This record gives sequence, structure tokens and C-alpha cells, in this order.
Amino acid sequence: EDKVVQSPLSLVVHEGDTVTLNCSYEVTNFRSLLWYKQEKKAPTFLFMLTSSGIEKKSGRLSSILDKKELFSILNITATQTGDSAVYLCAVGTGTASKLTFGTGTRLQVTL
Amino acid sequence: DSGVTQTPKHLITATGQRVTLRCSPRSGDLSVYWYQQSLDQGLQFLIHYYNGEERAKGNILERFSAQQFPDLHSELNLSSLELGDSALYFCASSVVGGEGETQYFGPGTRLLVL
Repeated sequence: EDKVVQSPLSLVVHEGDTVTLNCSYEVTNFRSLLWYKQEKKAPTFLFMLTSSGIEKKSGRLSSILDKKELFSILNITATQTGDSAVYLCAVGTGTASKLTFGTGTRLQVTL
Repeated sequence: DSGVTQTPKHLITATGQRVTLRCSPRSGDLSVYWYQQSLDQGLQFLIHYYNGEERAKGNILERFSAQQFPDLHSELNLSSLELGDSALYFCASSVVGGEGETQYFGPGTRLLVL
């Protein structure tokens, strides 16, 4: 059975701190790894990492994929209160029809 | 706003009842996916439709069924509802549904079974 594990489960930091969120996976026929941010309702897409794109950066957020060690990290620098959310890691397998999600990391950024 | 719409936003019903959740994908997207998010299970993939045909099935109960119509909107039917079916149900869409594709999520339908 495909498995995606995120750590930590929850994190509280001060504004301006840098955080690193972890995602490890054990799946059959890996295709892609995606990061989503979930605030109140729908997950919103952040990054997708595949064999052809193992490092992504957008503003203060960046992510890398280590296909050998089967993990990914999401880095957020100079955190802001607006970064408070649940961050979800998902792995696409097979024809990438199916995404297997981790349970998420809840990040709270305080003033 | 992802461009994926879902109705209704909230639904409260009783055990044993049947409900239908509706999803309209982003313009141009042929694939629709359904997910269930409960507090103890996280986001779970239910089913994937591509251009009207079922493509993949996940942890979908036999009491649940889905379809995708010619105009590409999709419906998820939940019957003989139980308390444990209370959850957020998300629909997502993508252009085709293959490697390298991102799934964009709708706002979800919150179902409460009393």
C-alpha cells in the first residue's frame, strides 16, 4: 500500500523564522510529488516535482525532491502570519490518476 | 479561485439518506477526481473520471458512486449515509490526468450526517 508520511505534525514559529517541512514516501511506480497549502478550505497548489524537475522555488518557498532517499522538503524563509496553514504533500503514482496524501503539517506563524 | 466549482457548500442530512454532490471542472479540463477529507483519515482519493469514463478507483465505498456527464461536470452520489461519512468532499480537475499534471481543487462540500 502506498504511504506518505509528513513531519512534523504541527509547528509553531515566530514571524521571520525559517521552517522546513518534511515528506517521505513509499509508493509503487512514483511519478510526481506535489505540495499543497490548505488554509480554510480547498488545497491550493504550490509545487510539483518530478524526475525532470527535482528543485522548485517561488518567492520565499522552495522545495527539493530526493528520489534516491524517497523524500522531499518544503522550505519557507522569512515566514509571515499569512503562511499559517496546513501543508499537504501528495505523491502521484501509476498514470498519476491517483494522489496519495500525507496527513499534513499544521504551521502556525505568530507575531 | 481555482476555477473548479462545487455545490452545495454545506449539507446536513440524517443517517440512511442519500445525497448528491456536484462538481464543475475548470474550463478545458477533461479529468475530474473526487476526494474525501475527514479528521482522522486525511485526504483520501475516491475516484477519477476522464471525459466521461471511469479511470481509476481508490477507497470508495460501494454505497458511493460517481459519474461524469457529457458537459464534463461530475456528480458523487452517497447513499445509506452513516455518521462516519461526515467529511469534506473535494473535487479536483486537470487537463488530461497523467504524469506531470497538476490537480486543482474546488472549495469542497462539507457533509454532516446526524
